[in-house]
Amino acid sequence: GDSVTQMEGPVTLSEEAFLTINCTYTATGYPSLFWYVQYPGEGLQLLLKATKADDKGSNKGFEATYRKETTSFHLEKGSVQVSDSAVYFCALSDQGFGNEKLTFGTGTRLTIIP
Amino acid sequence: GAVVSQHPSWVICKSGTSVKIECRSLDFQATTMFWYRQFPKQSLMLMATSNEGSKATYEQGVEKDKFLINHASLTLSTLTVTSAHPEDSSFYICSAKWAANSPLHFGNGTRLTVT
Repeated sequence: GDSVTQMEGPVTLSEEAFLTINCTYTATGYPSLFWYVQYPGEGLQLLLKATKADDKGSNKGFEATYRKETTSFHLEKGSVQVSDSAVYFCALSDQGFGNEKLTFGTGTRLTIIP
Repeated sequence: GAVVSQHPSWVICKSGTSVKIECRSLDFQATTMFWYRQFPKQSLMLMATSNEGSKATYEQGVEKDKFLINHASLTLSTLTVTSAHPEDSSFYICSAKWAANSPLHFGNGTRLTVT
């Protein structure tokens, strides 16, 4: 079955540091890939997505590229801010964007210190 | 933006009792709601899909008689954990959407601890 493996946290970085959170997946066919973010006290929110190989999703300075050859969708940001502190979830859907059957990773807690 | 409210945020109950968790869409009509569960250090797992006015569809391995889901209106779905046991202690999250290809909106989650 489908699965998502992401970097275990917690991750602590200083402000303005470079961020990478690794995510790899196993799926049949050609899944859509997502990063969700959960800020303290809030629900999960879609951060970015990519629906086909070599697509790059981007939002709020975060980027992730759909790499089919390495089955990866690593999340990156060049200069993190304190406000980026949150839990980040990598996810996939093998039935296209908008389908509810998301398979999630375990989540990575990120803390940015000033 | 669209808001999904989940209540309570946390609950502690005794083994053998039942607990109800509510999921409300505050500013849109949710034709479909979903319930997830996350055990410590594990992935968020879909438990069931709930469509307004019809029976919920449960994922494989989820006991429908233990996790009762009701979606009686377009803005409210409830998950009742019946005869709760310590192994049911987990983080439960709901999400909702208003159309087939609309984005998912998530609640803040409910931390259930069964003693």
